[in-house]
Amino acid sequence: EAGVAQSPRYKIIEKRQSVAFWCNPISGHATLYWYQQILGQGPKLLIQFQNNGVVDDSQLPKDRFSAERLKGVDSTLKIQPAKLEDSAVYLCASSPFFGTGNRGYTFGSGTRLTVV
Amino acid sequence: GQNIDQPTEMTATEGAIVQINCTYQTSGFNGLFWYQQHAGEAPTFLSYNVLDGLEEKGRFSSFLSRSKGYSYLLLKELQMLDSASYLCAVKKGGGNKLTFGTGTQLKVEL
Repeated sequence: EAGVAQSPRYKIIEKRQSVAFWCNPISGHATLYWYQQILGQGPKLLIQFQNNGVVDDSQLPKDRFSAERLKGVDSTLKIQPAKLEDSAVYLCASSPFFGTGNRGYTFGSGTRLTVV
Repeated sequence: GQNIDQPTEMTATEGAIVQINCTYQTSGFNGLFWYQQHAGEAPTFLSYNVLDGLEEKGRFSSFLSRSKGYSYLLLKELQMLDSASYLCAVKKGGGNKLTFGTGTQLKVEL
């Protein structure tokens, strides 16, 4: 099966600019996650979707970050305006059903964002 | 909240055995995952434990003690390509959300 697709692979922007990341999960996977991974740290959950509904966005900085999954398939994460501390890898992951089961998530390759 | 602790770095010799520990504190524990992450790549699933005991899968084994809030990942016959970050992640409750530790950077040397 095709994996989780993310684009772009890399992005460099200046602070206060806006940026958007795209994710296409594995076909049929109902649950989609966006994680932020700062260099040297583990991934931190930003938002979790179940189909096109938000399940958990408690750690999403809503003053600058937004995400949508309008048709319950692909998703977009946006940052506006970006800050230096947003420099990180943004990982998208998906899983086939609400319970994780024993396989966990499948991650995409991530988008490495550098804010200068 | 959840506290997940792992050593930051470890170094081991090719062909040897290494054990990476993970301790956690959480309510509603419902499973622990280990992921491997090579530099610049996505995390990939290694193992899952929800009951106490040892799960063996080739050169990799994972152990869980729920009463102690403790897990370890055991890597045998180390190879250079095992140099990577190893992430411990805890699942809480019936949902799908995983909370990750900061990862242990393993360096395998000749």
